[in-house]
Amino acid sequence: QLQLKESGPGLVKSSETLSLSCTVSGGAVGTRNHFWGWIRLSPGRGLEWIGAIYYSGKTYYNSSLRSRVTMSVDTSRDQFSLKMNSLTVADTAVYFCSRHLKVRSVIVPGLVDFWGQGLLVTVSS
Amino acid sequence: QLAVTQPPSASASPGAAVNLTCTLDTGHSRYAVAWHKHQPGKGPQYLLRVNSDGTHINGDEIPDRFSGSSAGAERYLFISSLQSDDEADYYCQTWDTGIHVFGGGTRLTVL
Repeated sequence: QLQLKESGPGLVKSSETLSLSCTVSGGAVGTRNHFWGWIRLSPGRGLEWIGAIYYSGKTYYNSSLRSRVTMSVDTSRDQFSLKMNSLTVADTAVYFCSRHLKVRSVIVPGLVDFWGQGLLVTVSS
Repeated sequence: QLAVTQPPSASASPGAAVNLTCTLDTGHSRYAVAWHKHQPGKGPQYLLRVNSDGTHINGDEIPDRFSGSSAGAERYLFISSLQSDDEADYYCQTWDTGIHVFGGGTRLTVL
C-alpha cells in the first residue's frame, strides 16, 4: 500500500531555509508514470501548489515561488526533497508531499492522485 | 488566468445527497478537474477526475456513491447516501503545463 511520509523541522526562523523530505513506501519514485510534488495549506492562501519533480530530475515550480524553491529526487532511497529559502512568517503552513499522474505522452505533471499526511511548519519571526 | 472557484460551504442531512460545484474561469472552461477530500489532521484524499464531457473516473477504492458531472464551465462532485464521515473540506484542482491551481474549498457539514 502506497504511503508518503513528510519529515523535517516543525519550527524554523524567518530568513532561514526550510528543508523537507518525503519518503515513499509501497511504491517507487523511479516510476515513469508519476511526478512527485509538494503542496501547502494555510488559512490565508488555502491549498497552494509548490512544484513537482520527475524521476529524471525534471522540475516544474509555481512561478510565484520559483526563485526560492529547489526540489531534488533520490531514486535509490525512494525519497524526494524540498528546499525553500528566505522564509517569512507567511510560509507557515502544513506541507504535503504528493504524487501526480504524468500527463499522457508528455513529461508534465497532471492531477494529484495521492497525498502524504502533512507536516506543520511554523516560521517564527 | 487559470482559476477555479468554489462556494465556501454546503450542508445536507445524513442519508441525503449533495452536489458540490467547482467553476472554471471563462478561458479554461473545457479543462478537467480533480476532486479531493480533506479532514482535519489527515492528508487529503483524491476522489475522482471530472472531464469536460461529463465523464468521471473514480480513484482507487473510492465508492460509487461519489461521482462527477459537468455543465459548461462547472464541474460537480455528487455524493449520495451521506454519512457523518463525509463531513470535510472538498477541494477541486485543475492544471496546465507547469501550473496547478486549487479552489478555496467547500466545507461540507452533514447534520
